[in-house]
Amino acid sequence: GAGVSQSPSNKVTEKGKDVELRCDPISGHTALYWYRQSLGQGLEFLIYFQGNSAPDKSGLPSDRFSAERTGGSVSTLTIQRTQQEDSAVYLCASSLAFNSGRSGELFFGEGSRLTVL
Amino acid sequence: ELKVEQNPLFLSMQEGKNYTIYCNYSTTSDRLYWYRQDPGKSLESLFVLLSNGAVKQEGRLMASLDTKARLSTLHITAAVHDLSATYFCAVDAGSGTYKYIFGTGTRLKVLA
Repeated sequence: GAGVSQSPSNKVTEKGKDVELRCDPISGHTALYWYRQSLGQGLEFLIYFQGNSAPDKSGLPSDRFSAERTGGSVSTLTIQRTQQEDSAVYLCASSLAFNSGRSGELFFGEGSRLTVL
Repeated sequence: ELKVEQNPLFLSMQEGKNYTIYCNYSTTSDRLYWYRQDPGKSLESLFVLLSNGAVKQEGRLMASLDTKARLSTLHITAAVHDLSATYFCAVDAGSGTYKYIFGTGTRLKVLA
């Protein structure tokens, strides 16, 4: 596709359930990022991938959060046993990594809004 | 750990006025990015600043980077209502990490 695609756009779940959020980056973008944005707040870094590897997982809030990327393309962010504090917009972004001679700017998807009741 | 701070957090200004948003960061980095977010929307890239002294301009917005002072500015000239949005700066955490830390954001409201 032309841009970063995220699904679902909205997800309402009950506390304790597991959720999966999907990100389909721009074709050819080797780097993929997940951020979390709570209402009216800034962006909190969660994890990024270079290819299928995740060099930095330091932003994942707890072991209930995990992410994977397969085939250097689609990524899934999984939240297990959701809590109310997990409610936020989860943003995915992709880029051509800086070391490929590009600028490193991020291209964002529209986000997945998660509401945990 | 890299910290990125913006000020002001909120800015309400009249159309036609000038103002500057500041982005300070705590560790050495040569790359800084500015993004815009409209309410209920995602972020779009505005400027990419890749070296000390870099200056970029687009319409009524001009961004600059001083890596020695660890400071970037986003200057607004003769503001118009369409510039109302939240502006974020983002800094590469360095050491080849390609991890971008975002500032707190500045919510700009331009009053007609």
